[in-house]
Amino acid sequence: RKEVEQDPGPFNVPEGATVAFNCTYSNSASQSFFWYRQDCRKEPKLLMSVYSSGNEDGRFTAQLNRASQYISLLIRDSKLSDSATYLCVVNMNSGAGSYQLTFGKGTKLSVIP
Amino acid sequence: EAQVTQNPRYLITVTGKKLTVTCSQNMNHEYMSWYRQDPGLGLRQIYYSMNVEVTDKGDVPEGYKVSRKEKRNFPLILESPSPNQTSLYFCASSSWASGKETQYFGPGTRLLVL
Repeated sequence: RKEVEQDPGPFNVPEGATVAFNCTYSNSASQSFFWYRQDCRKEPKLLMSVYSSGNEDGRFTAQLNRASQYISLLIRDSKLSDSATYLCVVNMNSGAGSYQLTFGKGTKLSVIP
Repeated sequence: EAQVTQNPRYLITVTGKKLTVTCSQNMNHEYMSWYRQDPGLGLRQIYYSMNVEVTDKGDVPEGYKVSRKEKRNFPLILESPSPNQTSLYFCASSSWASGKETQYFGPGTRLLVL
C-alpha cells in the first residue's frame, strides 16, 4: 500500500522562528522525494527535491533518511511569505521521470507577525 | 515562459453530461499527469502519460479517460460525470534533465457536478 504521512499541523509560528516538518513513507523502494508548497486555492509548486543525503537552499534544508524512511524540511528565520501548506511527495518508481507521485496530505504553516 | 494551461478554470455541470478539461504545456515535456485534490484526501493521481500514445492509470482512474495524441496536450475526459467527481483538478508536466527533476502544475480546474 502506497502511503506518505506528514505531521497533521497546523503549525503557527512567529516570524523568525525555525520550524521543522516531518514525513514518513511506507514503500522502501521509493527512489525520489520532494517538498512542494501550495498556497490557498493555488497549484502546488516544487520547493525542493531530496535525492540523496539531503540538500539546502537558502533558509530551507531537506533531509532524507532511507533507513528510517523519513524525510524532513527545516525552515529557518520564518517569513510571513512562508505561510502555506507544505506537501511531502514520494516517487515510487526508479529511473528518470516522475511516473507515480504519491502526495502527503500536507502540513499547514502560518507565520504570525 | 514555461507554462501549463488548463481550461476551463471553473465548471458547473449536471450528472451524465460529458465534459473535457484540456491541458497544454509549452515545455516539450514527455511526462504529463492529472490529479484531483479533495479536502482531507490530498492530491491523488488519476492518469499519467510518459509520452505520445502512452498512458497509464494512477490511483483513482475510475470514471475518467485521457488521451495523448500530441506531446503538448493531455485532455481529461469525464464521459458521464457524477457528483463524487466534484473536485479540484490539476494537470502537471515534468521533465528529467541532468539528474534533476522539474514539475509544473497547471492553475487548476474547479468542477462541480450537480
